Amino acid sequence: GAVVSQHPSWVICKSGTSVKIECRSLDFQATTMFWYRQFPKQSLMLMATSNEGSKATYEQGVEKDKFLINHASLTLSTLTVTSAHPEDSSFYICSARDPTSGRSDTQYFGPGTRLTVL
Amino acid sequence: GQQLNQSPQSMFIQEGEDVSMNCTSSSIFNTWLWYKQDPGEGPVLLIALYKAGELTSNGRLTAQFGITRKDSFLNISASIPSDVGIYFCAGQTGTASKLTFGTGTRLQVTL
Repeated sequence: GAVVSQHPSWVICKSGTSVKIECRSLDFQATTMFWYRQFPKQSLMLMATSNEGSKATYEQGVEKDKFLINHASLTLSTLTVTSAHPEDSSFYICSARDPTSGRSDTQYFGPGTRLTVL
Repeated sequence: GQQLNQSPQSMFIQEGEDVSMNCTSSSIFNTWLWYKQDPGEGPVLLIALYKAGELTSNGRLTAQFGITRKDSFLNISASIPSDVGIYFCAGQTGTASKLTFGTGTRLQVTL
């Protein structure tokens, strides 16, 4: 089945620094990837939709200059949290759509990245 | 952003019991999905529903797509300890569109 990986699985950084999170589709090419944020005991909230070769589409209220998304290849999307602050501490999860699957709307989720900003 | 309302918010059940949870929306969705999330992991797809009124099973899990397209139900029969986790519904308005997630139902099973 389709597998999506994320790296790192967890990261601790100092306030003011930037952190990059990678999302990879391991056995399929993903033209579209999605980035979600999940705070403790809450649901997943979509941050942005990442399309290969074009600019990401951000959800309302998500700062595009703070959460930089790059989808440079069909198997890799990156999320960079710039000038991170403690309130950015969260669980970041990506998903990827496999266009060759029976259902083009099927999304496969990565294992998530736990970000803690001190 | 919009969220789907799930109930119950959490539940404790005994091993072997059947479980029911539902998801409601003020908007119509054309696809309903049910996911399970274990602590510290990403959600895993359990069941996908594509037609109003559709009833689909996956082992001990059964889910239904509401006739109004504004709700969905998930049933788990004969619960076991590994059913522990958070169950999320998600809706899609159309093919290749983004997912809107529910508020989640936390399931805990006592032996």
